[in-house]
Amino acid sequence: GQSLEQPSEVTAVEGAIVQINCTYQTSGFYGLSWYQQHDGGAPTFLSYNALDGLEETGRFSSFLSRSDSYGYLLLQELQMKDSASYFCAVRGGGFKTIFGAGTRLFVKA
Amino acid sequence: SQTIHQWPATLVQPVGSPLSLECTVEGTSNPNLYWYRQAAGRGLQLLFYSVGIGQISSEVPQNLSASRPQDRQFILSSKKLLLSDSGFYLCAWRPRRRETQYFGPGTRLLVL
Repeated sequence: GQSLEQPSEVTAVEGAIVQINCTYQTSGFYGLSWYQQHDGGAPTFLSYNALDGLEETGRFSSFLSRSDSYGYLLLQELQMKDSASYFCAVRGGGFKTIFGAGTRLFVKA
Repeated sequence: SQTIHQWPATLVQPVGSPLSLECTVEGTSNPNLYWYRQAAGRGLQLLFYSVGIGQISSEVPQNLSASRPQDRQFILSSKKLLLSDSGFYLCAWRPRRRETQYFGPGTRLLVL
């Protein structure tokens, strides 16, 4: 089977750095994606890692270690608007993508 | 540019009634299409995906069905709704050879 694990909740202060971890177990692996979802809204794509290493997009970075079946999303210079749920997702084979249960990030002033 | 539409935005239906949710994509051709359901405060549960017209793969056995009558149209249906069918239904498309999924605005379904 396929499964992804991520923390259910993380709290940080404005301006800080926060890391959201994701471990996965899949029968195949094409890559690890991250999505952001604000309350009441639809998920939006943040980043994708197919190979080991760090991908940077502005304040957000994503890391992947295929040998450890592990990745993380790093959010820097946190802003209040970053309060949202963050999902890691894996396409383990074929055309389907499996999502984690999500990490709710609370940013405090 | 590509856009994805879903309707209706919200729906309140009695138990045992039928359901039809529609999703259409504009500005692309031959997309991979997906239906997800999200319970309040939970993750995304993949329900169906389609790689082409008439080609539907079901991930979760339940009283829902999906159809793809046209290349950019994806429909989620039920003959008789259950209370447990309540949730936030999201349609998404993925370009061929890319990993990014683009989600529609979703439909909030409440079954009473």
